Amino acid sequence: DAGVTQSPTHLIKTRGQQVTLRCSPISGHKSVSWYQQVLGQGPQFIFQYYEKEERGRGNFPDRFSARQFPNYSSELNVNALLLGDSALYLCASSLRAGGGDEQFFGPGTRLTVL
Amino acid sequence: GESVGLHLPTLSVQEGDNSIINCAYSNSASDYFIWYKQESGKGPQFIIDIRSNMDKRQGQRVTVLLNKTVKHLSLQIAATQPGDSAVYFCAENYAGGTSYGKLTFGQGTILTVHP
Repeated sequence: DAGVTQSPTHLIKTRGQQVTLRCSPISGHKSVSWYQQVLGQGPQFIFQYYEKEERGRGNFPDRFSARQFPNYSSELNVNALLLGDSALYLCASSLRAGGGDEQFFGPGTRLTVL
Repeated sequence: GESVGLHLPTLSVQEGDNSIINCAYSNSASDYFIWYKQESGKGPQFIIDIRSNMDKRQGQRVTVLLNKTVKHLSLQIAATQPGDSAVYFCAENYAGGTSYGKLTFGQGTILTVHP
C-alpha cells in the first residue's frame, strides 16, 4: 500500500509569491495534518483537517491556509511568502482525528524562499 | 505553553551498544507519547508509542519508558546498528486540547552509530 504522498518534492519561490503544497493520505485515512519543520528543529503543528473540516490550528499567521477535499487529500497554501517560510513541510495522515491516533508522515516538500 | 524538550542534542555510540535517548515534557495533561526517527531527507517515521496509563512498552529492539511523576520519557534501543543513525524526536499529544491530533515535538537528538 502506498504511504502518504506529497508534491512537489522541492520548490523554490521568491518573497511575496504564493505556494500550494499537496498531500494524499494513506487510503482509508480521513485526517490530514500539516507541520512545518525548520532546519534543526522539530516539526511545528500548522493545521489538522478531518472530514473536510478544520479541527485544529497552530500558531501560524493567516497567510497559511489549507483545505481538504472529498477524497481526503489536502492542500496547504501560503501567501506572501517570507524568507522565514523556508522549511520542510510535512503532511501526516491518521485514521481519525482523535488524539492518540497514530500519525503517518509523508516525505515532505522542501520549500526554499529566496 | 506546551513544550517537549530533549536533554542531549547528540549521542554517539558504538555498534552493538545500547542507546538511551531522553525527553522531558511540560504538559502534565498529555496522555499520548510517540517516538519518531527521521533520516536525512525523509519524513518522521513512527517507532513506538505509549499512553499515559502505562509506564513501559516494548517493541522490536526498542523500549519506551514513561515517568509521569517527573514528566520524563526515554527511548532505549538495544544492540544499536549503523542503520539506527538518525535524528530522534519525542512528541506528545493531549487529546483533551482544542486540536485533538496536534503533536508537539521536541528539538530532536542526533544519534550516530559508529561501526
